Amino acid sequence: DIQMTQSPSSLSASVGDRVTITCRASQSISSYLNWYQQKPGKAPKLLIYLASSLQSGVPSRFSGSGSGTDFTLTINSLQPEDFATYYCQQTYGIPLPITFGQGTRLEIK
Amino acid sequence: QVQLVQSGAEVRKPGASVKVSCKASGYTFTYYYIHWVRQAPGQGLEWMGWINPNSGDTNYSQKFQGRVAMTRDTSISAAYMDLSRLTSDDTALYYCARGYSSGYSDYWGQGTLVTVSS
Repeated sequence: DIQMTQSPSSLSASVGDRVTITCRASQSISSYLNWYQQKPGKAPKLLIYLASSLQSGVPSRFSGSGSGTDFTLTINSLQPEDFATYYCQQTYGIPLPITFGQGTRLEIK
Repeated sequence: QVQLVQSGAEVRKPGASVKVSCKASGYTFTYYYIHWVRQAPGQGLEWMGWINPNSGDTNYSQKFQGRVAMTRDTSISAAYMDLSRLTSDDTALYYCARGYSSGYSDYWGQGTLVTVSS
């Protein structure tokens, strides 16, 4: 299976900051990388699909980039509602297994 | 609007089976995959597999092969996930999610808590 490694595992930031979360794949996954946000007690929410496409309804302060093995999720001007856990997900080569990163917890500084 | 509504919480003893349902509405059920993802308490997301509601084709994570079965009933736009030989490690919140052929999921159910305890 393709392994996904996110960094950092946790991150403290302030409202208004710009933060970047990275996700590295154990092999090339082209652009088959998605990002989700999850708040406590809630289902995950799709933010970015296929590495850089913004899901409908998601604020433009969220952006994604990368291809191959290295990907980033950037949040510009953090808002209070952005404090959550973020997961990357690779979906390369379906029907090969889909895997998630271990998550990055974004906390208020 | 698109909705995925899952069945309620379940408690099972070790060795038993559980069947979780996911009823879709607001879209054509056979046009999108249904993925199943679970999350153990305080842990990350774990993909279990998917079903293509149109064909009934399934694809399971090797971790669950032989122990999971995903089915659907197109007449009522529902998908089901059946997990057998439960152990305490299967205690988790189980989600269904609508998926595209490229794998990402845009709508998720509310989750079903399955507790395995003697």
